[in-house]
Amino acid sequence: KNEVEQSPQNLTAQEGEFITINCSYSVGISALHWLQQHPGGGIVSLFMLSSGKKKHGRLIATINIQEKHSSLHITASHPRDSAVYICAALPTDSGNTGKLIFGQGTTLQVKP
Amino acid sequence: KAGVTQTPRYLIKTRGQQVTLSCSPISGHRSVSWYQQTPGQGLQFLFEYFSETQRNKGNFPGRFSGRQFSNSRSEMNVSTLELGDSALYLCASSPLLAPVGEQFFGPGTRLTVL
Repeated sequence: KNEVEQSPQNLTAQEGEFITINCSYSVGISALHWLQQHPGGGIVSLFMLSSGKKKHGRLIATINIQEKHSSLHITASHPRDSAVYICAALPTDSGNTGKLIFGQGTTLQVKP
Repeated sequence: KAGVTQTPRYLIKTRGQQVTLSCSPISGHRSVSWYQQTPGQGLQFLFEYFSETQRNKGNFPGRFSGRQFSNSRSEMNVSTLELGDSALYLCASSPLLAPVGEQFFGPGTRLTVL
């Protein structure tokens, strides 16, 4: 079993729908990242969380440390949101480094 | 500020050769991490450098090595290339020592081993 699991692996939505991507992890963490990867490979960091909730535009990320679970929500989805979304955990024994453990990614397609 | 840059963007090599990839972090960032992305294994951490010192290393064979220069630019080297080394290699820089900093990713170098 992977230390960081995402669900679903693939997601197709209609424009305007509310989308939720889930991430569960089995290790103690210092922080959890949500990343977005478009075709071509470029990765953008969306959020870095260690507790609670963060919001940026139509994107909301939450984390429950006790349950070892995080969610990424997209409100009013748009075709330009189509991408791969990856959660990445920074274990507490990694120190303040980039030694992230990645989920397998969720491929999102938003249809017009 | 310019973003993280990686060179070259694409590379084709044959088995047994060696390759060197370069990463220039955002100005002022002192931490550089390297990652490998393959369709089968996804993203995996290779190593991380801070102030010319390797702070952490992932589970990769010794054929994978890296270094960081005094200007924070970093290189990674893969010797005796294998077909399975074909991947997208990403580097990311981070400005903070503590608390944990956000990672700023480069565009990646796509390596194909024939």
